[in-house]
Amino acid sequence: AQSVTQLDSHVSVSEGTPVLLRCNYSSSYSPSLFWYVQHPNKGLQLLLKYTSAATLVKGINGFEAEFKKSETSFHLTKPSAHMSDAAEYFCVVTWGGSARQLTFGSGTQLTVLP
Amino acid sequence: GAGVSQSPRYKVTKRGQDVALRCDPISGHVSLYWYRQALGQGPEFLTYFNYEAQQDKSGLPNDRFSAERPEGSISTLTIQRTEQRDSAMYRCASSLGSGNTEAFFGQGTRLTVV
Repeated sequence: AQSVTQLDSHVSVSEGTPVLLRCNYSSSYSPSLFWYVQHPNKGLQLLLKYTSAATLVKGINGFEAEFKKSETSFHLTKPSAHMSDAAEYFCVVTWGGSARQLTFGSGTQLTVLP
Repeated sequence: GAGVSQSPRYKVTKRGQDVALRCDPISGHVSLYWYRQALGQGPEFLTYFNYEAQQDKSGLPNDRFSAERPEGSISTLTIQRTEQRDSAMYRCASSLGSGNTEAFFGQGTRLTVV
């Protein structure tokens, strides 16, 4: 069985400060892990993915995430938040290197304060 | 098209009516997935197809829900005798193949059953 836990349902940061969105997973298999972002009235957009290559993954818009097997974590970070980063972020796991049966976390709403 | 297209974007229906939700995947994508997202939750898997074959329908909640993809391209998710608990965002995604990890999501159909 696989599951994903996003530790914070809401995160609020000031513009220009670092962003940390936390994600822990459990999986009986070697996982593939993703972060998706959902802006209002838009589809889910893939930010980055980990598929057993480099443990530090760089994505779009300055985001990156580090896969830590010992901690079963895949936290999303960004050095400096921008107003346009305000959105809902989902951590996602799948097994067997396939997009079938993606398991989503419950989401973290990121607010960026001016 | 350039991305995954879903229609209608919004659907309001009366309890007991049947609804059909359409998904047009990215051209050339073999695999197509349906997810349901309740308010405040992450999307949950419903079913997926490779070409026209339905490979897994384990996420369909009951027999009022069905999906088809007769020509291996456009897919329709049908809900018969809708109930208020069916109200949710229904999301479609596609990928190059089931062995490919990256899924591209449409904007979703917001279904409201009144």
